[in-house]
Amino acid sequence: EAGVAQSPRYKIIEKRQSVAFWCNPISGHATLYWYQQILGQGPKLLIQFQNNGVVDDSQLPKDRFSAERLKGVDSTLKIQPAKLEDSAVYLCASSLAPSSGRAADTQYFGPGTRLTVL
Amino acid sequence: AQTVTQSQPEMSVQEAETVTLSCTYDTSESDYYLFWYKQPPSRQMILVIRQEAYKQQNATENRFSVNFQKAAKSFSLKISDSQLGDAAMYFCAYLDSNYQLIWGAGTKLIIKP
Repeated sequence: EAGVAQSPRYKIIEKRQSVAFWCNPISGHATLYWYQQILGQGPKLLIQFQNNGVVDDSQLPKDRFSAERLKGVDSTLKIQPAKLEDSAVYLCASSLAPSSGRAADTQYFGPGTRLTVL
Repeated sequence: AQTVTQSQPEMSVQEAETVTLSCTYDTSESDYYLFWYKQPPSRQMILVIRQEAYKQQNATENRFSVNFQKAAKSFSLKISDSQLGDAAMYFCAYLDSNYQLIWGAGTKLIIKP
C-alpha cells in the first residue's frame, strides 16, 4: 500500500514570495491533515479536511495561508506572501476516520516539505 | 481539554541496552487512543505503537512496548535492545474525539555506540 505522498521535499523562497505544497493521502482515507512543525517543537495542526469539507481550520493564518482538497483526494496548501516565521516543516497526514473501527483513527504521515524563507 | 506531558527533553542509552520514555496525559474521557511516533532527522513522522484505552493489555511491536497505566494516566514507551537507528525525537500523542492529535513536547533519544 502506498503511503502519503508530498511534494516538494524542500523549498527555499524569499520573504513575500508565494509557495504551494501538494499532498496525496493514502487511498481511501477520508480525513486529511496539514501540520506545521517548527524546529524543536511538536506539530501544530493547521487544517483538517473530511473528504472535501473543512472540519477545523481554527489555527490556519487565513490572511496568508489557504488550503483546498478538491474531489476529496489530493490537497494543496498555499502561503502568500511568506514570512520569515513560516520557515518550518509542513507535514501532511491522513486517516480512515471517521470510518468504523478504532484502528481507523490512526494518522499516517508523509515525508514532509521543509520550507526555508530567507 | 486534554494535555500530554513528556517530562524528559532528552534521554541517552548505550546501544543494546533498554530505555524507557515517559508520557503522562490528562483527560476526562474513558475511551481514547494513545500513540508514540518517532521522528528521525529526516523529519518524517513514523508510527511506533498504538494503544487503545479500553484494552488492558499493553501494546507491543517487536522491540517496542508500552506500559499503559490508565488510572495513573501514564503511557511510557520501552525500547529494548536499542539500536543506532532508534536515535530520533519521540512524540507521545493523544487522539481526541474530533480525531485530532494532542502532542507532547517530545523526547530526544540519543544512542551511544
